Amino acid sequence: RKEVEQDPGPFNVPEGATVAFNCTYSNSASQSFFWYRQDCRKEPKLLMSVYSSGNEDGRFTAQLNRASQYISLLIRDSKLSDSATYLCVAPGSFNKFYFGSGTKLNVKP
Amino acid sequence: EAQVTQNPRYLITVTGKKLTVTCSQNMNHEYMSWYRQDPGLGLRQIYYSMNVEVTDKGDVPEGYKVSRKEKRNFPLILESPSPNQTSLYFCASRYKGQGGYEQYFGPGTRLTVT
Repeated sequence: RKEVEQDPGPFNVPEGATVAFNCTYSNSASQSFFWYRQDCRKEPKLLMSVYSSGNEDGRFTAQLNRASQYISLLIRDSKLSDSATYLCVAPGSFNKFYFGSGTKLNVKP
Repeated sequence: EAQVTQNPRYLITVTGKKLTVTCSQNMNHEYMSWYRQDPGLGLRQIYYSMNVEVTDKGDVPEGYKVSRKEKRNFPLILESPSPNQTSLYFCASRYKGQGGYEQYFGPGTRLTVT
């Protein structure tokens, strides 16, 4: 089983839609998690960190469910500029980091 | 400007010809790491370093070497590149403490080994 698993998508949604991605992780000892955004093979950039039950930043909400070992990312009122690949990241043991393979989002006019 | 730089950005080379990809950060971060990204596999950690002279293997270290002689630099060395090392490589750095510290990524190096 992979350390971090994501649905690769693509998710094709119209502007203004609400869309949610899930990510499951295998290391129950992980404490903090991250969502990164990656545009077209450019470098990943941090979107949100998730430490406790959840985190909200404008149109973006990340939630953590430790019992089921998954984190989610909710994007409300999608914009064309939200089109990107979203990477879920979980820390592993011994200071390693594990990235999901990414979920691709296409927001259409 | 806080940043991570990588060089070269693009490289085409032949099997067996040793190469080095440089990485430098100006944020005084203790932790630095190298990843490779391949379609469908996401980013996979090659090596990481918790501080000067402290390096450790990630998940896919075979065929790679690293060194950390200075805090700001973390070069990736391919002693004898092979075609299966064709990939997009990212260097990253962060503070080493536990918790939600962001990793800052370099712009990437696209390597092709023929």
